[in-house]
Amino acid sequence: GAVVSQHPSWVICKSGTSVKIECRSLDFQATTMFWYRQFPKQSLMLMATSNEGSKATYEQGVEKDKFLINHASLTLSTLTVTSAHPEDSSFYICSARPSGLRTDTQYFGPGTRLTVL
Amino acid sequence: SQKIEQNSEALNIQEGKTATLTCNYTNYSPAYLQWYRQDPGRGPVFLLLIRENEKEKRKERLKVTFDTTLKQSLFHITASQPADSATYLCALGRRSASKIIFGSGTRLSIRP
Repeated sequence: GAVVSQHPSWVICKSGTSVKIECRSLDFQATTMFWYRQFPKQSLMLMATSNEGSKATYEQGVEKDKFLINHASLTLSTLTVTSAHPEDSSFYICSARPSGLRTDTQYFGPGTRLTVL
Repeated sequence: SQKIEQNSEALNIQEGKTATLTCNYTNYSPAYLQWYRQDPGRGPVFLLLIRENEKEKRKERLKVTFDTTLKQSLFHITASQPADSATYLCALGRRSASKIIFGSGTRLSIRP
């Protein structure tokens, strides 16, 4: 149980284009999902907290107009990297916290490798 | 500013020995601490959670301690195996916040 999927697992795009990454909780509902970015040999940096039915909360230094987050249902959150540039190349990971349970555990997706040429 | 440090970037030990990883934090008052395993190119996998009022937690070959006075957690893997080789991340969370903050990770290698 508690499986989170991400799609696509990797994507290569040209500079200036937009890329959408999906995060789905497959066997549970998640009011709250999180988006992280991880550069090589570095730890996970939280980008934003995504709440179903409301606006995402972005961490300091993360441009909300560049990284668009939509959490339209209890099982799906999307991250759109708009006008991507090579410096946006990174490993993007989402996580989901089960709704209705008194748990502090987050379940992570397998990650999406974004390469911007 | 808050800081989470994991003892070393890399740890190399002999199979069968106990691996001990350290997580120290400053300028932070966590309600709980978690340990995750991450393999290359994969997302983190949850291992254990320990709360501020708990001293020790065990799960099979894993043991976690939490000392809020020292602001430190120790993560032990007993009878280590090459399959335990991975990066291990600690993460801290507050009671009132839903987000967690990750440490830099320790890359553990178990040699046969």
